[in-house]
Amino acid sequence: DVKVTQSSRYLVKRTGEKVFLECVQDMDHENMFWYRQDPGLGLRLIYFSYDVKMKEKGDIPEGYSVSREKKERFSLILESASTNQTSMYLCASRQWTSSGANVLTFGAGSRLTVL
Amino acid sequence: AQRVTQPEKLLSVFKGAPVELKCNYSYSGSPELFWYVQYSRQRLQLLLRHISRESIKGFTADLNKGETSFHLKKPFAQEEDSAMYYCALLNSGYSTLTFGKGTMLLVSP
Repeated sequence: DVKVTQSSRYLVKRTGEKVFLECVQDMDHENMFWYRQDPGLGLRLIYFSYDVKMKEKGDIPEGYSVSREKKERFSLILESASTNQTSMYLCASRQWTSSGANVLTFGAGSRLTVL
Repeated sequence: AQRVTQPEKLLSVFKGAPVELKCNYSYSGSPELFWYVQYSRQRLQLLLRHISRESIKGFTADLNKGETSFHLKKPFAQEEDSAMYYCALLNSGYSTLTFGKGTMLLVSP
């Protein structure tokens, strides 16, 4: 029944490393999102994609990039990891409709620690 | 600017007590609001949305445009309601969701 899969549940990386967080959905959804979740700060949108090869910056895109080469896969890239990027990263997808169901389906999350 | 405010980080109640989790929003237009919930070791999931006007697990939320609020209520809290609750607002334009900072609800026996 799993619909949004994040490949890594836990990662530990060193400062300066390049980090890839992968997300795959099997619901043929057009829209995909990356959020980070921090205690006391809630969920903040990093990047989103409305369709293949499309991407838009969210509220906190600095230090991140994304890739969406296939509809089902949305990758978050940290070009040079820093300690302030230690966080829980949540991927979500949504089927866009003109009536706007606007319900996000979330993955289980990837907890990244940068040392 | 669009904004969602959840004033309480933590709400602690006893089983059977009424619960109200507060959510206020700032939005120029007709808002579309949601409550999402994350139980321990589970994924974030939709609890309810105002356009559905439904009750889920005994929870209800009414949109009050005059007070710009969308408080989540339940008359009798259960231990299994303990979770993190997020209020979210649909943004105009790209239709992304802006989330509040969340309220942790703890229901004690």
